[in-house]
Amino acid sequence: EDQVTQSPEALRLQEGESSSLNCSYTVSGLRGLFWYRQDPGKGPEFLFTLYSAGEEKEKERLKATLTKKESFLHITAPKPEDSATYLCAVQEHSGAGSYQLTFGKGTKLSVIP
Amino acid sequence: EAQVTQNPRYLITVTGKKLTVTCSQNMNHEYMSWYRQDPGLGLRQIYYSMNVEVTDKGDVPEGYKVSRKEKRNFPLILESPSPNQTSLYFCATQRRSNSPLHFGNGTRLTVT
Repeated sequence: EDQVTQSPEALRLQEGESSSLNCSYTVSGLRGLFWYRQDPGKGPEFLFTLYSAGEEKEKERLKATLTKKESFLHITAPKPEDSATYLCAVQEHSGAGSYQLTFGKGTKLSVIP
Repeated sequence: EAQVTQNPRYLITVTGKKLTVTCSQNMNHEYMSWYRQDPGLGLRQIYYSMNVEVTDKGDVPEGYKVSRKEKRNFPLILESPSPNQTSLYFCATQRRSNSPLHFGNGTRLTVT
């Protein structure tokens, strides 16, 4: 069973049509949840880190929220340049000072003019 | 400008021919790691390094080697590549263990 599940796999929106992407996780001790944006042919680019339930972060048209079981990436009035794959990654506490980071498979967002 | 530089960007090779993908960073970050990205499987960690001469296995280390002789460099070595190692590879750095990852632009490897 996947520890980090993103939904939907793909999402097509009209320009200006707000929506949300979901990242649900089942890790036992959350150390941090990260959102990244990945454009075709490029490495993922960091967007947000959330550390505890109730936390929210905002950047331009994007807002990330966190509960004890999931995170949402809300996109308000998206533009075509917001088209990308959005990745969620969860870091959990593991023994002996090491860490485990698990990525979801991503949501491919297409914003149509 | 803060950068993670991978080379080459594209590589086509044959089964069994040893290859090295280089990764260099100019941010003085302690942590470096290698990931592979495959359709339907997402990003999976191959190896990571917490400091010079300190490395550890990630989720899919089989068939790969790494070394961290200097803080800025973290090469990925495939001693005997096989077709199932055809993938998109990313090097990433972090300032601390819970900091965001900074990724390079990737190396697309094809093994025939």
